[in-house]
Amino acid sequence: AQSVTQPDIHITVSEGASLELRCNYSYGATPYLFWYVQSPGQGLQLLLKYFSGDTLVQGIKGFEAEFKRSQSSFNLRKPSVHWSDAAEYFCAVGGASGTYKYIFGTGTRLKVLA
Amino acid sequence: AAGVIQSPRHLIKEKRETATLKCYPIPRHDTVYWYQQGPGQDPQFLISFYEKMQSDKGSIPDRFSAQQFSDYHSELNMSSLELGDSALYFCASSLGDKGVDEKLFFGSGTQLSVL
Repeated sequence: AQSVTQPDIHITVSEGASLELRCNYSYGATPYLFWYVQSPGQGLQLLLKYFSGDTLVQGIKGFEAEFKRSQSSFNLRKPSVHWSDAAEYFCAVGGASGTYKYIFGTGTRLKVLA
Repeated sequence: AAGVIQSPRHLIKEKRETATLKCYPIPRHDTVYWYQQGPGQDPQFLISFYEKMQSDKGSIPDRFSAQQFSDYHSELNMSSLELGDSALYFCASSLGDKGVDEKLFFGSGTQLSVL
């Protein structure tokens, strides 16, 4: 069965520190992978996505993610975190045939210390 | 730029009542998706429409129904509400039915509280 796992429910980092949010997926075919960010009371905003090609994808707000097929992972990274990055981050796998019938991970809540 | 509009932003209902949530997609977007996000939960896909026809279905209870109208706005109708229906309901829109090849835009959601 298809699934997405985000092992870290909460992560706390200091402002300026680097960040890595983990995402592991289980999917029968080549996955469509996404990272979304959700601020309190807000909708989901797409940070980046991977369909094919270069396994290191660049997104908005200085985020990047690397697709590693051998590890079934799609970890999100940022070299230097800003206080405004505090939010909930969701990894998602696109549905079969590339639909938006997403399977979301349970999310990682990021707290940034000043 | 216009975004996806959802109304109302907040809705409070009692058990066994009905609720209607509305979603107005970005102009010219013809595809609408509905997601449900329970407290502290990940969003779950409910249902989607393309050109006024249901295009896909997820974990939507039988008590819920939805449709897309000629102006492409969509309504999610929820009957016999239960406490467990309390959640944030997101609508998202895209142009075309090519799925993830099209960019998806989310609304800010309707927070439904069932008392």
